[in-house]
Amino acid sequence: DSGVTQTPKHLITATGQRVTLRCSPRSGDLSVYWYQQSLDQGLQFLIQYYNGEERAKGNILERFSAQQFPDLHSELNLSSLELGDSALYFCASSDSGQYNEQFFGPGTRLTVL
Amino acid sequence: AQTVTQSQPEMSVQEAETVTLSCTYDTSENNYYLFWYKQPPSRQMILVIRQEAYKQQNATENRFSVNFQKAAKSFSLKISDSQLGDTAMYFCAFRDFGNEKLTFGTGTRLTIIP
Repeated sequence: DSGVTQTPKHLITATGQRVTLRCSPRSGDLSVYWYQQSLDQGLQFLIQYYNGEERAKGNILERFSAQQFPDLHSELNLSSLELGDSALYFCASSDSGQYNEQFFGPGTRLTVL
Repeated sequence: AQTVTQSQPEMSVQEAETVTLSCTYDTSENNYYLFWYKQPPSRQMILVIRQEAYKQQNATENRFSVNFQKAAKSFSLKISDSQLGDTAMYFCAFRDFGNEKLTFGTGTRLTIIP
């Protein structure tokens, strides 16, 4: 158990819908990262937040957005869902140590029908 | 932009044998970290081992060790005395000092045969 929690574990929805994925980082970790794992794109970095502020952005679609709240939990919002958005979405958190080692949550499996 | 290449989509080995997974990367940076992550059927991403580019000594964690060749931009993972629990997808990942995001390779599916 990495200490990072994600809810829900599974999500099934229809095209055009909007969903919210939630992540709670390890206690004390200020950074949260979101990654998408899909069959065709592999594991891709989406976005990073540090103590409530966006720090880095990767290949995140405009239909996707994220935020980090004062209690440091983070939410990833996916809207106007398409079939191709079906993927495993990981949240990771890191400490402020030398390596900024990222600890991954169990992921949320999103299926868009 | 950094890229990470894993040229072996699948590998299999008998239990107790040694196996080496390959990874190459491309970067213009001089300071960076390299990682191997394991993803078992449970889908959890688990850090196996990391290497700092400024360290010449290869990292070792129990049965797992790396062969880091900085000039060749190569970072292979050796698993000794392989066990059934080593069956998983293995991802090589890169992170440079100035950027906290991880760039992953496409993974190698490793199967340990009893």
